[in-house]
Amino acid sequence: EAQVTQNPRYLITVTGKKLTVTCSQNMNHEYMSWYRQDPGLGLRQIYYSMNVEVTDKGDVPEGYKVSRKEKRNFPLILESPSPNQTSLYFCASSLTPRARGTGELFFGEGSRLTVL
Amino acid sequence: EDKVVQSPLSLVVHEGDTVTLNCSYEVTNFRSLLWYKQEKKAPTFLFMLTSSGIEKKSGRLSSILDKKELFSILNITATQTGDSAIYLCAVQGGKLIFGQGTTLQVKP
Repeated sequence: EAQVTQNPRYLITVTGKKLTVTCSQNMNHEYMSWYRQDPGLGLRQIYYSMNVEVTDKGDVPEGYKVSRKEKRNFPLILESPSPNQTSLYFCASSLTPRARGTGELFFGEGSRLTVL
Repeated sequence: EDKVVQSPLSLVVHEGDTVTLNCSYEVTNFRSLLWYKQEKKAPTFLFMLTSSGIEKKSGRLSSILDKKELFSILNITATQTGDSAIYLCAVQGGKLIFGQGTTLQVKP
């Protein structure tokens, strides 16, 4: 089944304790992206990757890191989480960036993170 | 600054009603506009629009884009409780920007 898989789905952690949210897709997609969703603010892009070893900042990259060493995986790293990073996080992928943009994005199920 | 604004932010209707959701945008280098439906989990793709005036239709849902007035509408006819969700509009310019979403609640 074609899917984007995120883990963990739920996490409660404390300020300063490094954590990684994994994202994996099995559709051989080139483009992958991380979003956070907060009430009243919609989906905001954190980082994106056009292909392996190619990553770039989105609108709200502060406090996050990513890497794209393999095509299928795009982990999101919070080196020193803070309470303002409490949010619902989505990983998404699409087949290929093209002239009309990323096209249809396939989303993971979301990871709800709480930082105390 | 590029922006995407959806209205209304929330809406409550009864089954059988018709609803119209709005998405207006100011985006440089417009390439496409996308609609997604988000129930309790991941957003799922509904439509991608690139040309003005051409209606996209899927069952009771339809959408159209006006590139002159910079907006799109999503229509849902004969609403059902299963249509209750957040509807997200996203516009692809230099990057993909999402609106705040419209929360639709359909009551029996």
